[in-house]
Amino acid sequence: EAQVTQNPRYLITVTGKKLTVTCSQNMNHEYMSWYRQDPGLGLRQIYYSMNVEVTDKGDVPEGYKVSRKEKRNFPLILESPSPNQTSLYFCASSLNGGAPTTQYFGPGTRLTVL
Amino acid sequence: TQLLEQSPQFLSIQEGENLTVYCNSSSVFSSLQWYRQEPGEGPVLLVTVVTGGEVKKLKRLTFQFGDARKDSSLHITAAQPGDTGLYLCAGAQAGTYKYIFGTGTRLKVLA
Repeated sequence: EAQVTQNPRYLITVTGKKLTVTCSQNMNHEYMSWYRQDPGLGLRQIYYSMNVEVTDKGDVPEGYKVSRKEKRNFPLILESPSPNQTSLYFCASSLNGGAPTTQYFGPGTRLTVL
Repeated sequence: TQLLEQSPQFLSIQEGENLTVYCNSSSVFSSLQWYRQEPGEGPVLLVTVVTGGEVKKLKRLTFQFGDARKDSSLHITAAQPGDTGLYLCAGAQAGTYKYIFGTGTRLKVLA
């Protein structure tokens, strides 16, 4: 089954404790992206990747890191999480970054930073 | 940063009524997409419009891209409870590989 998976689905952590949210897709997609969703703000793009070893900032990259060492994986790293990073996070992938293409979203990771 | 403003933010209607959701920007997008999101799930693509003035229909849903590619609308005819959800528009920024999402319209259709 074609899908985007994220782990963990739920995470409660404390300020400053490094964490990684994994994202994997099995569709051989070139383009992958991370978004955060906050009430009243919609989805905001954090980082995206056009292909292996090619990443770029979205609109809200501060406090986040990403890497794309393999085509199927695109982990999101929070080196020193803060309470303002409490949010619902979505990973997405699409065939390529050239619009218009369908973005397929993962089920989301709900992160709480205390 | 380009912005996409959606209106209304919330909409509660009776089954059988018609409704229109708007997505507006002052910037031009190379394409615009509409997604629906159910609670606890990621957004799912409904449609992509590319050409200014383009109209696409998906059963009872009609999508239109503005002539200047700065705005879009979603019209639902004879809404049903199954249409309940969060509707999001998303624009692909021209010349980049970035996507901008609207703030969303939360629709509730009452039986």
